[in-house]
Amino acid sequence: QVQVQQWGAGLLKASETLSLTCGVYGGSFSGYYWSWIRQTPGKGLEWIGEIDYGGSTNNNPSLKSRVTISRDTSRNQFSLKLNSVTAADTAVYYCARGSVEKGWAFDYWGQGTLVTVSS
Amino acid sequence: QSVLTQPPSVSGTPGQRVTISCTGSSSNIGAGFAVHWYQQLPGTAPRLLIYGNSNRPSGVPDRFSGSKSGTSASLAITGLQPEDEADYYCQSYDTNLSGSGVFGTGTKVTVL
Repeated sequence: QVQVQQWGAGLLKASETLSLTCGVYGGSFSGYYWSWIRQTPGKGLEWIGEIDYGGSTNNNPSLKSRVTISRDTSRNQFSLKLNSVTAADTAVYYCARGSVEKGWAFDYWGQGTLVTVSS
Repeated sequence: QSVLTQPPSVSGTPGQRVTISCTGSSSNIGAGFAVHWYQQLPGTAPRLLIYGNSNRPSGVPDRFSGSKSGTSASLAITGLQPEDEADYYCQSYDTNLSGSGVFGTGTKVTVL
């Protein structure tokens, strides 16, 4: 059974860099797209970006210049860095697996990490 | 800002049929991208409910069904159950956003 677990700092100060990592257990890392998604009360769910097994990335244009997504295939992990955070980046962040055979639907999700940015 | 619009809330009594609409445009749903639906219970991560417009992952009850037509999609819950009270989101992709994933605004389903 596939499990996706995420971890990272939950409290940041404005201008710092958000850093989260997601580990994939019990399933293949290859052949899927690995995404980061965040959720705020005001803006709902927002897709941040994705990386495939080969390392190609695609990011939301609204965040593109601040986002870096990377992967470590030897550890079945992928990571998110979002620099120069502000209070507007306060959200619950999720990692998720995108399945090509399911039309790029997100079929497995991490448990979520609440990230709070203080001024 | 979501590019897929859903009604903020729908409600029904147990056993009733309810539907949730997801309205997009020619750059997302109308461009041929598949629509997926997620259920989110309070304090938990979204769960995939419907993928590829109308397919259910294993373990999802058959009272949930999805459809797509033109620039819109719908999720139907037939035989509403108390445990179906949750938030529901549609999701697709958008060519105007360089192929980015896009989510709907979300719908709260209340079982009366």
